[in-house]
Amino acid sequence: KAGVTQTPRYLIKTRGQQVTLSCSPISGHRSVSWYQQTPGQGLQFLFEYFSETQRNKGNFPGRFSGRQFSNSRSEMNVSTLELGDSALYLCASINKGATNTEAFFGQGTRLTVV
Amino acid sequence: GESVGLHLPTLSVQEGDNSIINCAYSNSASDYFIWYKQESGKGPQFIIDIRSNMDKRQGQRVTVLLNKTVKHLSLQIAATQPGDSAVYFCAEGGGTSYGKLTFGQGTILTVHP
Repeated sequence: KAGVTQTPRYLIKTRGQQVTLSCSPISGHRSVSWYQQTPGQGLQFLFEYFSETQRNKGNFPGRFSGRQFSNSRSEMNVSTLELGDSALYLCASINKGATNTEAFFGQGTRLTVV
Repeated sequence: GESVGLHLPTLSVQEGDNSIINCAYSNSASDYFIWYKQESGKGPQFIIDIRSNMDKRQGQRVTVLLNKTVKHLSLQIAATQPGDSAVYFCAEGGGTSYGKLTFGQGTILTVHP
């Protein structure tokens, strides 16, 4: 089956702009979560969506938002970009079964803010 | 707050040796744990998971051990190969948070030929 698809792979934006990142999870997975990865902070949880509802939110400012569509695809948006928002943004597609947990990541979107 | 931490930031081994990467976690409510491998420029790659009701699980060349008494997780890689060189992360999830993963800092594994 197809893996987790994130688009775009690379993005360069200017301070003050906004950006929208997209994630298509594995077919049948209803949970999508987003993470920010930086060398200094590691992998930090942004938010989680399940059946179009945000179920958890990490400790990020309100400039970071997201949503999930009925087909489980998810988008995250960052408004008023700051230099510190430069990072690898990762999406995880999760399915918790009876005995195992599938949690697969996409390749990420590398965002550079200049 | 609750976190998952690693004891060693770097690990160097010779090709063919067995590697052991350790992780401590603090959230007793977590009901699943996952090990990931991340190579430069790529997203984390799922290696193996284990549920909190298990203490051992084996995959291809990998074994994960879970000790809930001391809240410790380890990943054993048998016959380590140069292609195993990467950053390894442990993550915990579940409990009241279905899909929220809390990650450790990561361990850099370097395998020398």
